[in-house]
Amino acid sequence: GNSVTQMEGPVTLSEEAFLTINCTYTATGYPSLFWYVQYPGEGLQLLLKATKADDKGSNKGFEATYRKETTSFHLEKGSVQVSDSAVYFCVMYSGGGADGLTFGKGTHLIIQP
Amino acid sequence: GAGVSQSPSNKVTEKGKDVELRCDPISGHTALYWYRQSLGQGLEFLIYFQGNSAPDKSGLPSDRFSAERTGGSVSTLTIQRTQQEDSAVYLCASSYPGTRTDTQYFGPGTRLTVL
Repeated sequence: GNSVTQMEGPVTLSEEAFLTINCTYTATGYPSLFWYVQYPGEGLQLLLKATKADDKGSNKGFEATYRKETTSFHLEKGSVQVSDSAVYFCVMYSGGGADGLTFGKGTHLIIQP
Repeated sequence: GAGVSQSPSNKVTEKGKDVELRCDPISGHTALYWYRQSLGQGLEFLIYFQGNSAPDKSGLPSDRFSAERTGGSVSTLTIQRTQQEDSAVYLCASSYPGTRTDTQYFGPGTRLTVL
């Protein structure tokens, strides 16, 4: 079946460190991939997305490249800030099965000054 | 205008009671989704409304769960005879025009605790 696996948290980094949050997926066909972010006390919001292989989504200094060969969509940022502290969800839409999206479990990111 | 709002923000109930959770989507958004986030789990799709079409209820976990959307706007998720395993954060999202790759705007969620 369809699934999304992302690295367990919490992930704790110092300010200005390089960030990678791994995400891999299992799906039939060619899904669209998303990263959503949930800042403390707020609702989920879309961070970036990629709808086909080799697309790169980017926003707020974050990037993720849709890698069909490795079924991955890892989130990266070159220099994190304290304000990036949040929970990050890797999400897939595969277009089949139960409607809606498949969410990873979320990775809690903590950035220390 | 305002974002997606949900009420109540927190609900504590006793096992066996019925609860109603409310979602006000962004004005003009035709699609509305309900999700559930249980502790340590990812978001689980529950139900999807798109315009005046019949809702997709394929994600509802049991017949104790139901949802309606009145006038294509406000939605209510009802859980009858609540069980402890229903404890979770219930999230509502809306989008326009409502395809699955459109950006979904999420509400802050309702945290349900069943004692």
